[in-house]
Amino acid sequence: ETGVTQSPTHLIKTRGQQVTLRCSSQSGHNTVSWYQQALGQGPQFIFQYYREEENGRGNFPPRFSGLQFPNYSSELNVNALELDDSALYLCASSGKTSGLSTDTQYFGPGTRLTVL
Amino acid sequence: AQTVTQSQPEMSVQEAETVTLSCTYDTSESDYYLFWYKQPPSRQMILVIRQEAYKQQNATENRFSVNFQKAAKSFSLKISDSQLGDAAMYFCAFHYNQGGKLIFGQGTELSVKP
Repeated sequence: ETGVTQSPTHLIKTRGQQVTLRCSSQSGHNTVSWYQQALGQGPQFIFQYYREEENGRGNFPPRFSGLQFPNYSSELNVNALELDDSALYLCASSGKTSGLSTDTQYFGPGTRLTVL
Repeated sequence: AQTVTQSQPEMSVQEAETVTLSCTYDTSESDYYLFWYKQPPSRQMILVIRQEAYKQQNATENRFSVNFQKAAKSFSLKISDSQLGDAAMYFCAFHYNQGGKLIFGQGTELSVKP
């Protein structure tokens, strides 16, 4: 059983550019949640996807958008990057799999985004 | 609004001793789930322990246990026989519906002295 993976590990962009971050969910999980973690802070919820539909959104502007694919992997897209978008972006998956509950989110290693 | 508060930005413990990390939360919901996650310098958020609010029995995972006081909205983590590998940032979190968004505290940085 593979865990949650994210790519790329690190990314450097300039203000105004667009970025796509990717996440592969843990085997058997059908829900993916994205979080933004600024330096020295706890993660903040961006949005969640369940079976390819957005299933809840945090207080983030529309330039943060997402997608979930039939294999339950997911993308986070951020347009018109701002300096404050510099953060660690975490993906978490959850869902029914043998012996595990549906409510626990398992995290990937994160993508460190730096906006210059 | 649901909030999570960790009042200890930093804690330190001697190797092999016991340490308790504090967490309080605020919610009007009656059914929810509580978690402690560990984030080492490698950045990966690792689940330490979880507790369902409807269960009165405190959760235990090896050296990790919680003291869940529902009326006081308190959820502390006790680490027994601390090891050097326990050094990390610890986050308390909860969500109030199955599979919903996690709400995190600000974290407590734990250092373990040899």
